[in-house]
Amino acid sequence: ETVLTQSPATLSLSPGERATLSCRASQSVSSTYLAWYQQKPGQGPRLLIYGASSRATGIPDRFSGSVSGADFTLTISRLEPEDFAVYFCQQYTKSPPGYTFGQGTKLEIK
Amino acid sequence: QVQLQESGPGLVKPSETLSLTCAVSKDSVTNTTNWWTWVRQAPGKGLEWIAEMHPSGSTNYNPSLKSRVSMSLDKSKNQFSLSLTPVTAADTAIYYCAGGNNYVWGQWGQGTLVTVSS
Repeated sequence: ETVLTQSPATLSLSPGERATLSCRASQSVSSTYLAWYQQKPGQGPRLLIYGASSRATGIPDRFSGSVSGADFTLTISRLEPEDFAVYFCQQYTKSPPGYTFGQGTKLEIK
Repeated sequence: QVQLQESGPGLVKPSETLSLTCAVSKDSVTNTTNWWTWVRQAPGKGLEWIAEMHPSGSTNYNPSLKSRVSMSLDKSKNQFSLSLTPVTAADTAIYYCAGGNNYVWGQWGQGTLVTVSS
């Protein structure tokens, strides 16, 4: 099973600052199969990024995704108050078919 | 915008069967561009994928749950369902239904808390 390790576990920043969240895969993961989600308390996850770097419909351009080898990064260029939430990365494996998530990064207001 | 709504008992006894339903609106469960899925989140924990199903009938299950889980689609009611048996306290979680394609899920329900306890 491919394990996704997210860091840091908690990130404390202020509105207007830049956030950089990391997701490292224990095995090779195709960029095609890596996504990022945002989750707020009491809500289901919201798809932000798919294919490692493509923004989902309606997602502001301050959110961006990138990849370097086995390291995937979600960047929020300038934090808005509504961006403080938990962020998960997710990957798909073809054989056997399945999905795993990272343990999440909590982005909190400093 | 597709809407998903989970329903089912909030309390299930150990060794019994957990049954949940996800009602789909503003789309059809027979839409072959979609895969329908279940994901759960134990209290204070991360997300765990459970199973997915395509309208063609093709299904995939999390290997760690495969022996206990099944999914089905009800085209007449435009909904899909999850069955997990037998349950233990470790199955206590918020259960989400979701839909999407290309290996991601763009639509999610609000989630329903299921507690396994006698």
